[in-house]
Amino acid sequence: DTAVSQTPKYLVTQMGNDKSIKCEQNLGHDTMYWYKQDSKKFLKIMFSYNNKELIINETVPNRFSPKSPDKAHLNLHINSLELGDSAVYFCASSRRPNSGNTIYFGEGSWLTVV
Amino acid sequence: RKEVEQDPGPFNVPEGATVAFNCTYSNSASQSFFWYRQDCRKEPKLLMSVYSSGNEDGRFTAQLNRASQYISLLIRDSKLSDSATYLCVPRGNKLVFGAGTILRVKS
Repeated sequence: DTAVSQTPKYLVTQMGNDKSIKCEQNLGHDTMYWYKQDSKKFLKIMFSYNNKELIINETVPNRFSPKSPDKAHLNLHINSLELGDSAVYFCASSRRPNSGNTIYFGEGSWLTVV
Repeated sequence: RKEVEQDPGPFNVPEGATVAFNCTYSNSASQSFFWYRQDCRKEPKLLMSVYSSGNEDGRFTAQLNRASQYISLLIRDSKLSDSATYLCVPRGNKLVFGAGTILRVKS
């Protein structure tokens, strides 16, 4: 069984469109994350939620809006897509938000904006 | 200075070789770390945790040098399947990942 699953895995869309990526974890973890990995392979945190509450919000354009309907789900909605949004977006989860916990990643969503 | 810095490599080594690479960190308060590995077009997965006493798991040994602020990963008897990108991560709320070191093990 997939622990952290995200959909879609591949997404090709035109500039200006709005798209969403969904994420679900079945590990019973309290904390979920969105990371972005760009073409240079840097993996950067975007958001973190703990029990549906936003606890980390990095410097991300407000076109990106996370939503956590419950602690097992964290979706990412992106408005007005730009070419620079092309990247791999990883959802992840951990038992707790603080430092001692292993992060488990989903398989990634490959977003290409054309 | 970046929070975490790694030599991007690639490190090209033959099967059976021993290879080591380091990760330097800027926050002197960091006391423990993770090593993750990321295969091509896959998600990062935890390889091992690193504490002040270091850690060893089979062919993999990780050490923390707090005085010089770096952690190291040593891989003995390299296998083809060890080819991946190795990411070091100081423990913390944000888990800031290094850009990773590429290892290529060749037959």
